[in-house]
Amino acid sequence: ETGVTQSPTHLIKTRGQQVTLRCSSQSGHNTVSWYQQALGQGPQFIFQYYREEENGRGNFPPRFSGLQFPNYSSELNVNALELDDSALYLCASSTGLGGRGSYEQYFGPGTRLTVT
Amino acid sequence: GNSVTQMEGPVTLSEEAFLTINCTYTATGYPSLFWYVQYPGEGLQLLLKATKADDKGSNKGFEATYRKETTSFHLEKGSVQVSDSAVYFCALSANLNQGGKLIFGQGTELSVKP
Repeated sequence: ETGVTQSPTHLIKTRGQQVTLRCSSQSGHNTVSWYQQALGQGPQFIFQYYREEENGRGNFPPRFSGLQFPNYSSELNVNALELDDSALYLCASSTGLGGRGSYEQYFGPGTRLTVT
Repeated sequence: GNSVTQMEGPVTLSEEAFLTINCTYTATGYPSLFWYVQYPGEGLQLLLKATKADDKGSNKGFEATYRKETTSFHLEKGSVQVSDSAVYFCALSANLNQGGKLIFGQGTELSVKP
């Protein structure tokens, strides 16, 4: 059974640029959640996708957007990068129940984004 | 709103010492509670969970009991090893209409010395 994978591992971008991060969910999972983990902090929920639809969003601006594909893999896009966007971005997959929550989430290794 | 508070780290222990990491939460309804562990340079791994009051989660010698009366979920281990050195996160997931999103504490770094 393949676990959650993310790409790339590391990324360096310049302020104002755009970035796309990718996540492949664990086999059999239909839900993907994205989290931002700033250095020394706990992860913060960005949004969740269930069967290709956004299913909950945290306190992040609209320049953070996402997609989920028919194979349940997902992308996180961030436009107009700011210095404070520098963080570890974590993807987690799970078996979702739509608006009724989901079963436990399994995390990928993350993408380390540095904005200069 | 829902929130999780953990004891501040770093926590430094000698091998075979007893470990307690405190975690308290604020939530409406009946959340599920989790402990995740993050080893250096890696993502999060689920360590244990409890889904209702008085449940005890356990794994790899770690235990935590869901205490609704004190809104706590403290992590304990009787005898820590050097390999337990990591950052530990307490988290909750509110049921219904929340999409299962996890709300994390700020993390507690544990360092175990030989």
